[in-house]
Amino acid sequence: AQTVTQSQPEMSVQEAETVTLSCTYDTSENNYYLFWYKQPPSRQMILVIRQEAYKQQNATENRFSVNFQKAAKSFSLKISDSQLGDTAMYFCAFMKHHYAGGTSYGKLTFGQGTILTVHP
Amino acid sequence: NAGVTQTPKFRILKIGQSMTLQCTQDMNHNYMYWYRQDPGMGLKLIYYSVGAGITDKGEVPNGYNVSRSTTEDFPLRLELAAPSQTSVYFCASRTTAGYEQYFGPGTRLTVT
Repeated sequence: AQTVTQSQPEMSVQEAETVTLSCTYDTSENNYYLFWYKQPPSRQMILVIRQEAYKQQNATENRFSVNFQKAAKSFSLKISDSQLGDTAMYFCAFMKHHYAGGTSYGKLTFGQGTILTVHP
Repeated sequence: NAGVTQTPKFRILKIGQSMTLQCTQDMNHNYMYWYRQDPGMGLKLIYYSVGAGITDKGEVPNGYNVSRSTTEDFPLRLELAAPSQTSVYFCASRTTAGYEQYFGPGTRLTVT
């Protein structure tokens, strides 16, 4: 079974500064996907960024980028030029494709979350 | 497209009551999931479905049942509600070949 650990329950950052959220995971799989989801006070789950394990290049989406260290099983999220709207709970998540009889399941395993507060 | 919709948004149940949480998606996704999120925690998978008529258990299925008679609908049934089922419930869906799960807005359930 896979596990995902986020060791920072809470983080805070000043507006316009950079912050990094940590995530480690444990798996024996070689092919999998990692995600960062954002959950603002509205409760909506929003996909921020995705990384495929077979890709060496770190994923980037505008102000969001990841540092993916496969050997260390580490997947951190860097938010540059933080904005007030970035205030939210951030979840790291793991997904491998389960194949049974040719059917893929793609279940997500989530970390405990990190509450990020951006201060003006 | 409305995406993934869930009803109700909020519900209070008494211990021992039953209810069904509704989930509908209009994206023709084969895969659908039910998660629960306890306060301050990440989401845990309750049940999932890979298509109409096919469902299977996730990490925390006890106390719940599901059915999938159509591609669009994936209701979650709570039988004999218990305080331990107080949580926020999310439904999600995705395409067969895709990676992203699209989440509904959630249902906040309190059992007292």
